[in-house]
Amino acid sequence: GQQVMQIPQYQHVQEGEDFTTYCNSSTTLSNIQWYKQRPGGHPVFLIQLVKSGEVKKQKRLTFQFGEAKKNSSLHITATQTTDVGTYFCAGYTGFQKLVFGTGTRLLVSP
Amino acid sequence: NAGVTQTPKFQVLKTGQSMTLQCAQDMNHNSMYWYRQDPGMGLRLIYYSASEGTTDKGEVPNGYNVSRLNKREFSLRLESAAPSQTSVYFCASSDRTGNTEAFFGQGTRLTVV
Repeated sequence: GQQVMQIPQYQHVQEGEDFTTYCNSSTTLSNIQWYKQRPGGHPVFLIQLVKSGEVKKQKRLTFQFGEAKKNSSLHITATQTTDVGTYFCAGYTGFQKLVFGTGTRLLVSP
Repeated sequence: NAGVTQTPKFQVLKTGQSMTLQCAQDMNHNSMYWYRQDPGMGLRLIYYSASEGTTDKGEVPNGYNVSRLNKREFSLRLESAAPSQTSVYFCASSDRTGNTEAFFGQGTRLTVV
């Protein structure tokens, strides 16, 4: 089965509400990456976390990497319509094998 | 910069037909990947190539073959297409260290009827 799972699969929020997606891996990851895919587009890299317990921020986005390096989260504060898309976590398992999560689709209503 | 280029963008195949999806990158990356994307399944790794001359199976390799023609090019072949292979296919590349971001092509939307 798929090694990296994300929840929720889908979330619909009103503009201004917060949003969080969770990523869980069945194996330890050397790092965790987050990507955003706009509707009809391709995944685009957002950020990478490497250290256990690491927290990084990009404006309204906060990313965390779990202590055991098997889970991660992405939190968006005060969503905007431009945040619409699917958010994927990804991690390298083994030599150069980049595995993606199942993704969380975010819809933001104005 | 072109980045990662995939061809074709769209394709319709009949069951049993064969075809090759082409991918080329101009960033001098060592690693290249093929993924398929299906609703609710995320991006599933089909095959990857950590460096020129090597290829390895990913999560869903059955029904596919790959060729790392040179450092720039990584092709995906469907020998006998099946309706279950209807999907959006993405090629990606990254630098060799395993600690860098992946760059994606625009995708190929394949329908097998």
